[in-house]
Amino acid sequence: GNSVTQMEGPVTLSEEAFLTINCTYTATGYPSLFWYVQYPGEGLQLLLKATKADDKGSNKGFEATYRKETTSFHLEKGSVQVSDSAVYFCALGGLYNFNKFYFGSGTKLNVKP
Amino acid sequence: DGGITQSPKYLFRKEGQNVTLSCEQNLNHDAMYWYRQDPGQGLRLIYYSQIVNDFQKGDIAEGYSVSREKKESFPLTVTSAQKNPTAFYLCASSIGPTDSYNEQFFGPGTRLTVL
Repeated sequence: GNSVTQMEGPVTLSEEAFLTINCTYTATGYPSLFWYVQYPGEGLQLLLKATKADDKGSNKGFEATYRKETTSFHLEKGSVQVSDSAVYFCALGGLYNFNKFYFGSGTKLNVKP
Repeated sequence: DGGITQSPKYLFRKEGQNVTLSCEQNLNHDAMYWYRQDPGQGLRLIYYSQIVNDFQKGDIAEGYSVSREKKESFPLTVTSAQKNPTAFYLCASSIGPTDSYNEQFFGPGTRLTVL
């Protein structure tokens, strides 16, 4: 079946630290991969996406590379800010006959000044 | 500005009452979705609709109902049959159901509390 596994949080970092949030997936077919961010009390916002193997998605200093050989889509940022504190969701989509998404359980990031 | 609106932002319901959550989009998207989010958990799909006048059950449809009479609207009714309805409800849409690379766009959510 299709599923997404994310590293459990919370992840607590100091400002300007390097961030990695691991995401691995299982899929039948050739999915697209996404990272969403959710701030407290709000909906999800698309952070970045990759639609095929070896694609790199990037936005606002965040990056993730679609690795088919390791079935991974790890999120990275070189220097986090306090404003990056949020919950991050990895998602898999674009399979078969409707655009059903499979979400990871989310990873909460806390960045301390 | 194009986007998805959900109303109300907060909703309180007494046990045994049905309640309807609104979701409207002006993105001209064909596909719409309802998710439920519980604290510290990911999103679970309740219902989805690929086209007007058509919808399918998701993973946790019991105790919920939907309609899709207009392209821009996809209201969700939480019925008294839903045993534990207190949660954060998110509506989403995407351009179409078959494109492999199209992201889903999310509304701001409705927090439902059963008193």
